[in-house]
Amino acid sequence: DSGVTQTPKHLITATGQRVTLRCSPRSGDLSVYWYQQSLDQGLQFLIQYYNGEERAKGNILERFSAQQFPDLHSELNLSSLELGDSALYFCASSVGDKSSEQYFGPGTRLTVT
Amino acid sequence: KNQVEQSPQSLIILEGKNCTLQCNYTVSPFSNLRWYKQDTGRGPVSLTIMTFSENTKSNGRYTATLDADTKQSSLHITASQLSDSASYICVVSPHPTGFQKLVFGTGTRLLVSP
Repeated sequence: DSGVTQTPKHLITATGQRVTLRCSPRSGDLSVYWYQQSLDQGLQFLIQYYNGEERAKGNILERFSAQQFPDLHSELNLSSLELGDSALYFCASSVGDKSSEQYFGPGTRLTVT
Repeated sequence: KNQVEQSPQSLIILEGKNCTLQCNYTVSPFSNLRWYKQDTGRGPVSLTIMTFSENTKSNGRYTATLDADTKQSSLHITASQLSDSASYICVVSPHPTGFQKLVFGTGTRLLVSP
């Protein structure tokens, strides 16, 4: 158990809908990262927040957005969902915002039908 | 373009045997290289993390090596166990002082057979 929690575990929704994925980092970690992993694909970095501020952006679509709240939990919002958005979405956390170790949550499996 | 390539794509070995997984990267500048183990449907778990000045690092039966000159790394698994069946992902951090935009390889899928 990494100490990072993600909810929900599974999510099934229809195309065009909007969903919110939630992540709680390990106690004491200030950075939260979001990753997407499509079937048989590598992990793709989406976005990083550090202590409430956006720090780095990867391959995140404009239909996706994220935020980190004062209690340091983070939410990833996915809108106008398409079939291709079906994937595992992982959250990770770390103490710092640079080269510190990242700890991954169990993931949210999103299925868009 | 920053890239991380892993080989082989998949591997089957008998329980108790050793194996070596390869990682080549073109990431520059280079900060550190990590190996993760990912069980199917679960989050990756860190095995080792090495900076450019480190040549080798061990974690139990896992030993990672790094050659920063040739930009190659390997992960050696000794006396494999059935629980080693997983994907092994090589990850490189390209920013020595900046933010963590890690570059992920697509992984090597290892199956340890009884």
